[in-house]
Amino acid sequence: DVKVTQSSRYLVKRTGEKVFLECVQDMDHENMFWYRQDPGLGLRLIYFSYDVKMKEKGDIPEGYSVSREKKERFSLILESASTNQTSMYLCASSFRGGITGELFFGEGSRLTVL
Amino acid sequence: QKEVEQNSGPLSVPEGAIASLNCTYSDRGSQSFFWYRQYSGKSPELIMSIYSNGDKEDGRFTAQLNKASQYVSLLIRDSQPSDSATYLCAVPTSGGSYIPTFGRGTSLIVHP
Repeated sequence: DVKVTQSSRYLVKRTGEKVFLECVQDMDHENMFWYRQDPGLGLRLIYFSYDVKMKEKGDIPEGYSVSREKKERFSLILESASTNQTSMYLCASSFRGGITGELFFGEGSRLTVL
Repeated sequence: QKEVEQNSGPLSVPEGAIASLNCTYSDRGSQSFFWYRQYSGKSPELIMSIYSNGDKEDGRFTAQLNKASQYVSLLIRDSQPSDSATYLCAVPTSGGSYIPTFGRGTSLIVHP
């Protein structure tokens, strides 16, 4: 089974802190994604990566950056956390050459910014 | 902006009934369509995919696609309380990265 592991299930941070969310997948997937999910707004794409060191902005990249130094690991960085970044963050992965809508999700990281 | 629309619900059905979940999309070039199920507090999991017009059945689930009307639906037969969840429609957009766009989801409640 594909496993996508997110490093922290729950985090509480203060405004202005730098936050790292890490995601590791074990199925050699080329594509990796970061979404945030908010009530009433659904899943919104922050960034995605289709290869090591490659990244593309999604729909809501402002306030976020990403890093992909190794194929299996995709990190989301909040340089200076703000209260409007309180959300559920979901990492996902997929094969590049496969069915592009077939995503495998991690369990999510619920971030609260005070 | 490519859009995927779903009725947020909640859709409430009695146990044993057929639940019908609907999704419309704006990108006429889309070729593949996906349904995810998300239990409360959990992450989404893929349950169905469909690529051709018509019906695709998998156990109690049937996906229906009508590309001319830009409409995809999910039918759940003999609904069970364990089917209570939010169902997300996902449509990869055409003309580039084929990244899936998700609808906001429909909440389904199956009551005994």
